[in-house]
Amino acid sequence: GAVVSQHPSWVICKSGTSVKIECRSLDFQATTMFWYRQFPKQSLMLMATSNEGSKATYEQGVEKDKFLINHASLTLSTLTVTSAHPEDSSFYICSAWGPSYDEQFFGPGTRLTVL
Amino acid sequence: GNSVTQMEGPVTLSEEAFLTINCTYTATGYPSLFWYVQYPGEGLQLLLKATKADDKGSNKGFEATYRKETTSFHLEKGSVQVSDSAVYFCARGTQGGSEKLVFGKGMKLTVNP
Repeated sequence: GAVVSQHPSWVICKSGTSVKIECRSLDFQATTMFWYRQFPKQSLMLMATSNEGSKATYEQGVEKDKFLINHASLTLSTLTVTSAHPEDSSFYICSAWGPSYDEQFFGPGTRLTVL
Repeated sequence: GNSVTQMEGPVTLSEEAFLTINCTYTATGYPSLFWYVQYPGEGLQLLLKATKADDKGSNKGFEATYRKETTSFHLEKGSVQVSDSAVYFCARGTQGGSEKLVFGKGMKLTVNP
């Protein structure tokens, strides 16, 4: 299958700062990328769907001004957590889909800890 | 609403034991159904899927059948191995690969030799 990477794999930041997480499709063009959040012992919750070159579509209850998503190229999407607070600490996972495939491919996730 | 309910673990089995992980869903229409697996330190991988009623997905000795009448997609394996130790997620979506996915909570399986 295709490969999706995330960077960084983990990050610790101070409350009030912003953190950017990258999601890359390494060997295919991803027209659609998804961002999920996973709390301990809980399911993955879809945060937003981004299509290359257009604005992301956010799920109900997700603050779009807090979780900024950019999908400027067919191989890269970024999630920026702005003015992070301890309650934003979580595991963030991206997935990518391209028209050559009939499934999404998931990144390994990024552990964010906000102090 | 649209949701997925699956068995919650953790579950510990001995090698060669039989495995069943129950999964039921609610949805309008007939969504595609998936099982994903997450091995330690790795991202989610698609294990198997079914796109319509009575379809059976299978991979690596695992099987699941799309049961419309019971809205279920239970995962089974006749003889588990230590290498099957992972977290298993049931999910539902819509037709096509660019669909949104709704996940169950996941179940951690540990297989002991």
